[in-house]
Amino acid sequence: EAEVAQSPRYKITEKSQAVAFWCDPISGHATLYWYRQILGQGPELLVQFQDESVVDDSQLPKDRFSAERLKGVDSTLKIQPAELGDSAMYLCASSFRQVRYNEQFFGPGTRLTVL
Amino acid sequence: KQEVTQIPAALSVPEGENLVLNCSFTDSAIYNLQWFRQDPGKGLTSLLLIQSSQREQTSGRLNASLDKSSGRSTLYIAASQPGDSATYLCAVSRTGNQFYFGTGTSLTVIP
Repeated sequence: EAEVAQSPRYKITEKSQAVAFWCDPISGHATLYWYRQILGQGPELLVQFQDESVVDDSQLPKDRFSAERLKGVDSTLKIQPAELGDSAMYLCASSFRQVRYNEQFFGPGTRLTVL
Repeated sequence: KQEVTQIPAALSVPEGENLVLNCSFTDSAIYNLQWFRQDPGKGLTSLLLIQSSQREQTSGRLNASLDKSSGRSTLYIAASQPGDSATYLCAVSRTGNQFYFGTGTSLTVIP
């Protein structure tokens, strides 16, 4: 069964350091999403890609966060510098097309701890 | 902005009981609604997707209903099992292609 892959699964870093997360969506899925989930809350969208283009990054803290999907397949989310408040689960999801038509499928997530 | 609320925040039931989880949303102009399951420390698993034109969807022991006009959805779980213990999240999509999530209901099924 096709799955969304994410790595690493866990990351511990010190504040002010740079961190990067990788996501490989289900093959053929044009739409890719990065979410942040704080413990006890629902996921919140950070950025949405349609193929290689960003279609929504209104909630992305652009002073420290960046995301790219250069070839329209896998994607990287970077934080530089990391802050204590960035500790959360970072989830990647993909869908065949836009969410209005299709299910989203999520990866296992990356648990980030900033010390 | 779409607000999604899930009540109760936590629920504990004995094994074998039927149960209902609730999801409400403030803006009825949605495209679809999706129910997810999340185990501790893990990603989300899709359970059911209901398009805005549909009233319900069923998968095994799960049945999800949608009343768009009243801004409500329910997830019905029949004959609950300890393996059903998890957090259940609902999410709705509307214009802008974004999904808005609730904060979830933490379900514990006691053997």
